[in-house]
Amino acid sequence: DAGVTQSPTHLIKTRGQQVTLRCSPKSGHDTVSWYQQALGQGPQFIFQYYEEEERQRGNFPDRFSGHQFPNYSSELNVNALLLGDSALYLCASSYPGQVAGNTIYFGEGSWLTVV
Amino acid sequence: QQPVQSPQAVILREGEDAVINCSSSKALYSVHWYRQKHGEAPVFLMILLKGGEQKGHDKISASFNEKKQQSSLYLTASQLSYSGTYFCGTLNAGNMLTFGGGTRLMVKP
Repeated sequence: DAGVTQSPTHLIKTRGQQVTLRCSPKSGHDTVSWYQQALGQGPQFIFQYYEEEERQRGNFPDRFSGHQFPNYSSELNVNALLLGDSALYLCASSYPGQVAGNTIYFGEGSWLTVV
Repeated sequence: QQPVQSPQAVILREGEDAVINCSSSKALYSVHWYRQKHGEAPVFLMILLKGGEQKGHDKISASFNEKKQQSSLYLTASQLSYSGTYFCGTLNAGNMLTFGGGTRLMVKP
């Protein structure tokens, strides 16, 4: 049973560029959330997708956008990259229903460095 | 508003015990505990749902006091493999997980 998979694992971008990160949820999961984890800090919630729609959004600018496909996979897009966007980007998947009791599984993350 | 974890860091000798606390100013639906090793993704440890609920896995257990909006993680007879950063995550009504700042745990031989 494959867990949450993310790609690419590492990438380097230049300020002002755009980046797309990809995520495939764990089998049976249809809800995907994205988190940003800066060095030495806890993961910060970016947004969550369910049924191909953004269901919740954290305190991130519109430069951060996403998409969920019919097969539940998801993309995170960041435009006009800033140095401060350098971080580990984590994708997490879960299955809705009894929301509070659902385990949320994380992928290995995508390390983004902006130079 | 993110939950507050304490202590921020702790150093143990193998076999010693530790307690990590997590508190929130907002009503909690559940508390999720994760451990993250350097350069890796967070790994799920356990989830607590109900007030007063306690859970255990091997020598790691946790409690959740819904009324006090607090959770504690107990590590008993610590092993070298317990080293890492522990995060508590609190879930709101909209299924948004908010993480604390983390507790860095180092277990020495």
